[in-house]
Amino acid sequence: DAGVIQSPRHEVTEMGQEVTLRCKPISGHNSLFWYRQTMMRGLELLIYFNNNVPIDDSGMPEDRFSAKMPNASFSTLKIQPSEPRDSAVYFCASSLAREGYTFGSGTRLTVV
Amino acid sequence: GQQLNQSPQSMFIQEGEDVSMNCTSSSIFNTWLWYKQDPGEGPVLLIALYKAGELTSNGRLTAQFGITRKDSFLNISASIPSDVGIYFCAGHPRSGGYQKVTFGTGTKLQVIP
Repeated sequence: DAGVIQSPRHEVTEMGQEVTLRCKPISGHNSLFWYRQTMMRGLELLIYFNNNVPIDDSGMPEDRFSAKMPNASFSTLKIQPSEPRDSAVYFCASSLAREGYTFGSGTRLTVV
Repeated sequence: GQQLNQSPQSMFIQEGEDVSMNCTSSSIFNTWLWYKQDPGEGPVLLIALYKAGELTSNGRLTAQFGITRKDSFLNISASIPSDVGIYFCAGHPRSGGYQKVTFGTGTKLQVIP
């Protein structure tokens, strides 16, 4: 089991550019979560999917953020246009029922 | 929404010492989870607790699900340098089902060799 796979590991982009973060959950897991982690705000849940359907996107900061899960093995988080305040580590996690989450290694995003 | 208060926020301890940290909530939780995050990595699940009063060990780590279902603690015995990291408590609140986990703010542990 390769775990939750995120790409890229690091992304540096200029303000105003589009950024796409990718996630492959663990096979068989039916829930997928996108988190953002910063020193100031800790771990924030942005959105989660259950059986590929978005259930709660109340944590998405604003319309510049969007997430999709076209199938059970792939999800994307897109920021367009990116801003310096979006700089953070973005984690994807997956789970099955009441088990705890399995996190990916994260994408460190820097917007300059 | 539910909040988890985790304490202490940070701690420095000498190698070999025991460590204790806890997590409290104003509402009831159905499960309690303890994670550790190493620098540059995602949090990793250490222990999961599913019943009030449950005491579970994982090597030098021991965690308990509080009787009131509103708290949990994690103990680390005989700390070693690789215990350094951020420890998060988390759980499934009774009102939220089993899909959405609430995370605490973390306890940053530093071990002095």
